[in-house]
Amino acid sequence: QAQLVQSGSERKKAGAAVKVSCKASGYTFSTHDINWVRQAPGQGLEWLGPITSHNGNSNFAENLQGRVTMTTDTSTSTAYMELRNLRSDDTAVYYCARGWKMSAFDPWGQGTLVTVSS
Amino acid sequence: QSALTQPASVSGSPGQSITISCTGTNSDIGVYNSVSWYQQHPDKAPKLMIYDVFNRPSGVSSRFSGSKSGNTASLTISGLQAEDEAEYYCSSSSSSVTVVFGGGTKLTVL
Repeated sequence: QAQLVQSGSERKKAGAAVKVSCKASGYTFSTHDINWVRQAPGQGLEWLGPITSHNGNSNFAENLQGRVTMTTDTSTSTAYMELRNLRSDDTAVYYCARGWKMSAFDPWGQGTLVTVSS
Repeated sequence: QSALTQPASVSGSPGQSITISCTGTNSDIGVYNSVSWYQQHPDKAPKLMIYDVFNRPSGVSSRFSGSKSGNTASLTISGLQAEDEAEYYCSSSSSSVTVVFGGGTKLTVL
């Protein structure tokens, strides 16, 4: 069955960059978008944006414009999200999730904790 | 502040039914039939429970059902079980951004 496996936890200083990977298996990677969602400690879910797996077209949430880059590598069925100029309020668990049906996400990766310290 | 409004908490006893509401606007729930519901247990990734307002993915119990009226969507869980205790999030397509989430509802099984 479809599965997404993400890279491990990261600890970064404010102002640095982080790149999270999301490796897909169990389905044809190019046929579904990958979406990125984050969850700050004790908070709800925040949609960050999707990337079209076969052509790399992406669309980001407005509050991340200029700081985020989403890419895919179809040869390895892997999606990447890079967030630059990290701030303390970027501390969160970052999830990738396969786009499915109209705007449902299934399945989700296990999450990657990114901790930003000053 | 989340785009969709959910109650912070609901509770019910085993065997009872509960309903969680999710209120949006004419820019999201009111115009798109793409409401989804997710279940999240502590320190786990969210799991899709309902998509396109009322559809259940394969493997999800028929005790979970969804509906929509105007700008408000609802998730109903019947025959509550201890394992249903979790955080529940709604989401919808939106004309301003692609997807918006609710703030989450903590379900406590008494």
